[in-house]
Amino acid sequence: QVQLQESGPGLVKPSETLSLTCTLSGGSMSGYYWSWIRQSPGKGLEWIGYISFTGTTYYNPSLESRVTISVDTSKNQFSLKLSSVTAADTALYYCTRVTGHPERIDPWGQGNLVTVSS
Amino acid sequence: AIQMTQSPSSLSASVGDRVTITCRASQGIRNDLGWYQQKPGKAPKLLIYAASSLQSGVPSRFSGSGSGTDFTLTISSLQPEDFATYYCLQDYNYPFTFGPGTKVDIK
Repeated sequence: QVQLQESGPGLVKPSETLSLTCTLSGGSMSGYYWSWIRQSPGKGLEWIGYISFTGTTYYNPSLESRVTISVDTSKNQFSLKLSSVTAADTALYYCTRVTGHPERIDPWGQGNLVTVSS
Repeated sequence: AIQMTQSPSSLSASVGDRVTITCRASQGIRNDLGWYQQKPGKAPKLLIYAASSLQSGVPSRFSGSGSGTDFTLTISSLQPEDFATYYCLQDYNYPFTFGPGTKVDIK
């Protein structure tokens, strides 16, 4: 059974960089896209971006200038970095697998709550 | 980005009721739409993809329909475990965008 697990700090200071890692178990990264989605009370569910197992990325234009997603297939991990964070970046961050054509987002990690505060 | 709206934003229903939730896209998205269920404290779960295809393991009381701009999720007979928030997602183009959600609670 494929499972995803986010890890990373739960508290980040304003203007610093948020860093999260997602670890895949029970499956292979090959052939899929791996994405980050966040959920906050104010903005609902928001697509951050994805990376393919070959390293192709797409970022939401609303976050593109601050986001980097990377992959380490040898460790079955992919990571999110979001720079220059503000309180508006406080959210529950999910890592997910995307199967293409037709698109399916499944499974999801359990979520990592990140609070931006000094 | 494509904007997604849902109606109603919330509804109260009883076990056994037939429930219908609608989702509208700001432009045509063919049938590139999914429905996700989220229970409190849990991650969203895929129910329906490609507007009407049932994800493996999802009960057959869930069904989806629609194409273009208007879509529907139907629960034919609401069960206690179905009380949750439901989101639609357009995957026609990037960035994928979600609807604001419909909360289904107990009448």
